[in-house]
Amino acid sequence: QQQVKQSPQSLIVQKGGISIINCAYENTAFDYFPWYQQFPGKGPALLIAIRPDVSEKKEGRFTISFNKSAKQFSLHIMDSQPGDSATYFCAAVVSGGSYIPTFGRGTSLIVHP
Amino acid sequence: DAGVIQSPRHEVTEMGQEVTLRCKPISGHDYLFWYRQTMMRGLELLIYFNNNVPIDDSGMPEDRFSAKMPNASFSTLKIQPSEPRDSAVYFCASRSSGTGRGYTFGSGTRLTVV
Repeated sequence: QQQVKQSPQSLIVQKGGISIINCAYENTAFDYFPWYQQFPGKGPALLIAIRPDVSEKKEGRFTISFNKSAKQFSLHIMDSQPGDSATYFCAAVVSGGSYIPTFGRGTSLIVHP
Repeated sequence: DAGVIQSPRHEVTEMGQEVTLRCKPISGHDYLFWYRQTMMRGLELLIYFNNNVPIDDSGMPEDRFSAKMPNASFSTLKIQPSEPRDSAVYFCASRSSGTGRGYTFGSGTRLTVV
C-alpha cells in the first residue's frame, strides 16, 4: 500500500529551468510534509517542510506548494542548477509519537548545464 | 557534530555469511531508525528504537534480520544468513524527540551479497 505517491520517477531539466515534483497522499491524518534531498553516496537530508495550515513555503529557490483539499503537494525548484541534481523524496508525517515519515518512492532529478 | 556514523561504507559478502552493520547516532538523539533502500521498493523502515528499546520491528523482512541497541551510542543490524536479495543500501537515522521532526541520516552501507 503506497500511502504517498510521487511523480515523476525521473526528471531532466536544463540549467535555469523549473523542476516540479508532485506528491499525493490519502491519509488525512498526515499533518507535516517534509522533502528530503539525497546526493549519490549520501543519506537523505531534510530540505524543506510544510504544515497544512499554509499553502506555500519558500526557502531560496525551493518552494513547497500545498493543496489540502486535493491532498497534494509539490516541490518547485526555480532556476535549477546542476548542483541540484539528486534524488528527491517527499514524505508525510502524522504528528505525535515518533513522527515516522511515510516516504514517496523518490524522483531522480538531473539538471543539464 | 560528526553526524550519524555508519560502518562499513561498503560490504561485499558471499551468500550464507553473517553480515553486521554498525551505526553511531548523534549524541543526544533518543530515536534511532534502520532503513533499507532499493530501486524496487524505495526507502523501507526496518526497525526503530526509542531510548535503546526496540519499538517497532514490523518492517524487518525475515527472522534472518536482527537489530540491537546496547547503549545510546551504538546500534547494529545483523543479517544471518545473508542472501543475494538482501543486497541494498542500509541507512541508519537518528532524531531527537525534543528538536522537531527531521531525521539525520547516515551515509549508508552498500551491501552486496554474491
